[in-house]
Amino acid sequence: GAGVSQSPSNKVTEKGKDVELRCDPISGHTALYWYRQSLGQGLEFLIYFQGNSAPDKSGLPSDRFSAERTGGSVSTLTIQRTQQEDSAVYLCASSLVGVRETQYFGPGTRLLVL
Amino acid sequence: DAKTTQPTSMDCAEGRAANLPCNHSTISGNEYVYWYRQIHSQGPQYIIHGLKNNETNEMASLIITEDRKSSTLILPHATLRDTAVYYCIVHNDYKLSFGAGTTVTVRA
Repeated sequence: GAGVSQSPSNKVTEKGKDVELRCDPISGHTALYWYRQSLGQGLEFLIYFQGNSAPDKSGLPSDRFSAERTGGSVSTLTIQRTQQEDSAVYLCASSLVGVRETQYFGPGTRLLVL
Repeated sequence: DAKTTQPTSMDCAEGRAANLPCNHSTISGNEYVYWYRQIHSQGPQYIIHGLKNNETNEMASLIITEDRKSSTLILPHATLRDTAVYYCIVHNDYKLSFGAGTTVTVRA
C-alpha cells in the first residue's frame, strides 16, 4: 500500500471491555512496531515484530495487552478488560527490515476508555 | 539510545528558512541522526536522517557537525503546514524514543 493504515481511527469503549486495533503495514515491510502516545507524552514502545515473530514484547504494559501478526503483514493489538489508563493514541509503524531502518508511521488509533 | 537536547519552541516566518538545532553530544559511532515531525492529531512523519554526511531530500536538509555532537534541520521555505512538533532522535536500534521535541510555529 501507499502507507501504513490503522483502524479504527477512533474508538470509545467502556471500562472492562476488550478492544482490537488493526495495523496494515507498507507492502513488503517485514518489520512492524506498536507504540503508545498518551496525552502530552512521548512515544512509548510496546512491541516489535520481525515477520510473524515478536523478538521484543518488553514494552507491553501488562498481560491484558497482546499482539499478533499473520502472514507477515497485518497486525492486531488486543487490549482485554480495558482500563481508563489505557486511553491513548496507539501508533503502528513499519520498516523495510528492522534495526536502523527508517520507520514509517500510520495515523494512529485514538482510544478512549470511559 | 543517546539523549538529544532541543529548544522547546521556535517561531518562523512563512517563506523563510527554519533552522532547528539539536545537540547529541553522547552520540556513538554507529548511531544515526533521525528527524521526525508530528502535526497535531497525526502520526509522526519521517523527514530525514544521516550518519556523518549532510543530507538533503525534498522536505529538508540535515547538517551534521564534523564531531557529530550536534545537527541542524533546515526547512528551506517554511509554510503554515510545517507547523508541528519536530523530534531529533539518535538511533541504532529498533525502538524509537521521542523526547519533547521543538514546537515550531510558522506565522504568516
